[in-house]
Amino acid sequence: AQSVAQPEDQVNVAEGNPLTVKCTYSVSGNPYLFWYVQYPNRGLQFLLKYITGDNLVKGSYGFEAEFNKSQTSFHLKKPSALVSDSALYFCAVRGNTGFQKLVFGTGTRLLVSP
Amino acid sequence: DSGVTQTPKHLITATGQRVTLRCSPRSGDLSVYWYQQSLDQGLQFLIQYYNGEERAKGNILERFSAQQFPDLHSELNLSSLELGDSALYFCASSVALGTYEQYFGPGTRLTVT
Repeated sequence: AQSVAQPEDQVNVAEGNPLTVKCTYSVSGNPYLFWYVQYPNRGLQFLLKYITGDNLVKGSYGFEAEFNKSQTSFHLKKPSALVSDSALYFCAVRGNTGFQKLVFGTGTRLLVSP
Repeated sequence: DSGVTQTPKHLITATGQRVTLRCSPRSGDLSVYWYQQSLDQGLQFLIQYYNGEERAKGNILERFSAQQFPDLHSELNLSSLELGDSALYFCASSVALGTYEQYFGPGTRLTVT
């Protein structure tokens, strides 16, 4: 069965600094990987996905993620954090064979200080 | 705004009662998913419908049921409610099956007292 680990409950970063939110996964076969963001009292918003191809995926709001097959990781990154990036970030994975449900990590709260 | 709508936004009800949550997917999306988000369980997949047919079940209790109608909107029915059913319930939709990303609605916050 597939699983996702987000090892950090919270990440703190100063505005203007680069940020990284970590995600590792376990899945049979090749993974389909996703990042979502959740603002308070809102639904999840899709940021980016990796299906195949280039290991560096660019998404919304200046976010990008790097797929690393050998380390089974899909870390979310942004070169320069904004206070408005403060939110809850979810990594999700599913396998590529048949129907497999999308499994979400427990979420990482990003706090960007001014 | 994702284009997915959910009603109601908030629902407060008593134990033992039955409620219905409604979801309208984005225009053109055929697949609808239901999720439950709670503090202790995180985000859990409940069930998926595609073009009116149930396609997959996750951690959905027997007290819960869902359906997708010909106009593609979906309803999640929760019965014999317990305190532990208090959670945020999200609906999501995608264009089709496969690798397509899911777009989430704003959620329905259910409080069971």
